[in-house]
Amino acid sequence: GAGVSQSPRYKVAKRGQDVALRCDPISGHVSLFWYQQALGQGPEFLTYFQNEAQLDKSGLPSDRFFAERPEGSVSTLKIQRTQQEDSAVYLCASSLGVGGGDTQYFGPGTRLTVL
Amino acid sequence: AQKVTQAQTEISVVEKEDVTLDCVYETRDTTYYLFWYKQPPSGELVFLIRRNSFDEQNEISGRYSWNFQKSTSSFNFTITASQVVDSAVYFCAAASGGSYIPTFGRGTSLIVHP
Repeated sequence: GAGVSQSPRYKVAKRGQDVALRCDPISGHVSLFWYQQALGQGPEFLTYFQNEAQLDKSGLPSDRFFAERPEGSVSTLKIQRTQQEDSAVYLCASSLGVGGGDTQYFGPGTRLTVL
Repeated sequence: AQKVTQAQTEISVVEKEDVTLDCVYETRDTTYYLFWYKQPPSGELVFLIRRNSFDEQNEISGRYSWNFQKSTSSFNFTITASQVVDSAVYFCAAASGGSYIPTFGRGTSLIVHP
């Protein structure tokens, strides 16, 4: 079956531009997570959705970051007025059960480069 | 909240050697989950194993084995007879409390030379 997909795979933005990153989770998966992975580091949590409800956004680094999952499936991570420090790989993961204790399946990531 | 330490930044071995990747976790919760993921050069994180805190039984899957020891808060991963295809970055993660949001370690880069 299809895994988690993300688009675009690569995005180059000029500083100050807005970007939108898309995640298509595995069909039927209740939970969806966004992570940010800097070069040479592990994934760092950004936000968590249970169906369409955003239950935890404690990892979002600033109010320039916004995520939504309006129908409980596809999710979009939006970054406004991008800065160079936003350059990273953004990973999306989904899991069948509720919360992060269930196995998460990751997408290939979107590599964002801010010039 | 929890913390995960992977003290080994990089390990280099020759094919067919056995190698152990260390993972030490910290949490105040009695219920928690531990994970290992593999990130090959292609970049996609691949799930390897999930354990809960009540199951200390060690597990073997082919050339892979995991040693979970609550007494030392460790969840180490051993690859037996390593192969070049095992070259990747391996991440350990722990999830506890509230929504069990996982915390990942910094990863161990394993390089297997032919």
